[in-house]
Amino acid sequence: DAGVTQSPTHLIKTRGQQVTLRCSPKSGHDTVSWYQQALGQGPQFIFQYYEEEERQRGNFPDRFSGHQFPNYSSELNVNALLLGDSALYLCASSRSGGSIYNEQFFGPGTRLTVL
Amino acid sequence: DAKTTQPTSMDCAEGRAANLPCNHSTISGNEYVYWYRQIHSQGPQYIIHGLKNNETNEMASLIITEDRKSSTLILPHATLRDTAVYYCIAGYNQGGKLIFGQGTELSVKP
Repeated sequence: DAGVTQSPTHLIKTRGQQVTLRCSPKSGHDTVSWYQQALGQGPQFIFQYYEEEERQRGNFPDRFSGHQFPNYSSELNVNALLLGDSALYLCASSRSGGSIYNEQFFGPGTRLTVL
Repeated sequence: DAKTTQPTSMDCAEGRAANLPCNHSTISGNEYVYWYRQIHSQGPQYIIHGLKNNETNEMASLIITEDRKSSTLILPHATLRDTAVYYCIAGYNQGGKLIFGQGTELSVKP
């Protein structure tokens, strides 16, 4: 089991550009969440996808958008990049349903630097 | 979701128990307490969770006070590999968003 994988590992962009980050969930998982982690801070929830729809969203502007594919993989898109978007972007997957807490498994993240 | 308060940093000697406190005085009756940790350059890793009763698994023990306003994560025999930032999270058992605070940076020293 490969666990949660993310690509690319690192990315450098300039202000105003657009970026797409990718995530493949752990086998058997159907829900994907995205988090932004600034240096020295805890991760901040961006949004969650289930059944190819955005189900929950944190306090992030519309420049941040996402997509989930039929195979449960997901993309995070950020438009009009700002310097403040520089961060580690984490993807987490979980299995929906049931009354048992659905542990979230995190990937290693994509380090985005905006110059 | 309830807010949690944790010490910024703690040290622990290798082989000794590490006791990490968390205050969640505004937690509601059906909110759980979750613990995750993040080793440097990795994504967060689930450790344990609980509602009212104390819980134990292969990684750690979770002690929740009777009034549920605070809890303690216990790593019974800390190793150097336990050096990480530990996050205490209070929230609903919906498999949804996790609200991370600043966490406690635990340094296990030889």
